[in-house]
Amino acid sequence: DQQVKQNSPSLSVQEGRISILNCDYTNSMFDYFLWYKKYPAEGPTFLISISSIKDKNEDGRFTVFLNKSAKHLSLHIVPSQPGDSAVYFCAASGGYSSASKIIFGSGTRLSIRP
Amino acid sequence: DSGVTQTPKHLITATGQRVTLRCSPRSGDLSVYWYQQSLDQGLQFLIQYYNGEERAKGNILERFSAQQFPDLHSELNLSSLELGDSALYFCASSVRAGEATDTQYFGPGTRLTVL
Repeated sequence: DQQVKQNSPSLSVQEGRISILNCDYTNSMFDYFLWYKKYPAEGPTFLISISSIKDKNEDGRFTVFLNKSAKHLSLHIVPSQPGDSAVYFCAASGGYSSASKIIFGSGTRLSIRP
Repeated sequence: DSGVTQTPKHLITATGQRVTLRCSPRSGDLSVYWYQQSLDQGLQFLIQYYNGEERAKGNILERFSAQQFPDLHSELNLSSLELGDSALYFCASSVRAGEATDTQYFGPGTRLTVL
């Protein structure tokens, strides 16, 4: 039972364009959402997060959008750069004291082409 | 470099054996988390320790156990290994007890191969 789904295993985007990574979730109790980035042979690195009381959070080139009614979130990267090529994991947790129960999606491999 | 270290990087062993994975958290972090990532899967939360005490349990098999020592490093013990236990095992640490807003910093992982 996948509570957090990333339906696109891979995505290829031209350098300078916008990359949009999507994530769907099924559990309406989730109230905190995170994106992690992972390079080969390294552990995941926290990228950006959003609380369910917001619908948008921006940090430099990265913006996360949350649509609670659709149980959908997306990560926008603009402009995309070669160093953005990595696997991106969407994750969710329910409740303030539930960080331990972070549920991860299966990841989307983003490739930025010149 | 996240500041979280894991040893060994790679481990190859046979079915039925027992192995120990080690994790040293970032300086000052009191919580340690263990995750398993099987092929093309997301990270599955296994267990969390906070300041030496078990704090939360996820989908951890009974054949697996963990502990956190007084110096805050942690070990994950996997016994009676099966082929399906082959995976990447990640350790993460955070400052506090596990609030959702507490960023988890991940180590580079240990790749376990069971033959």
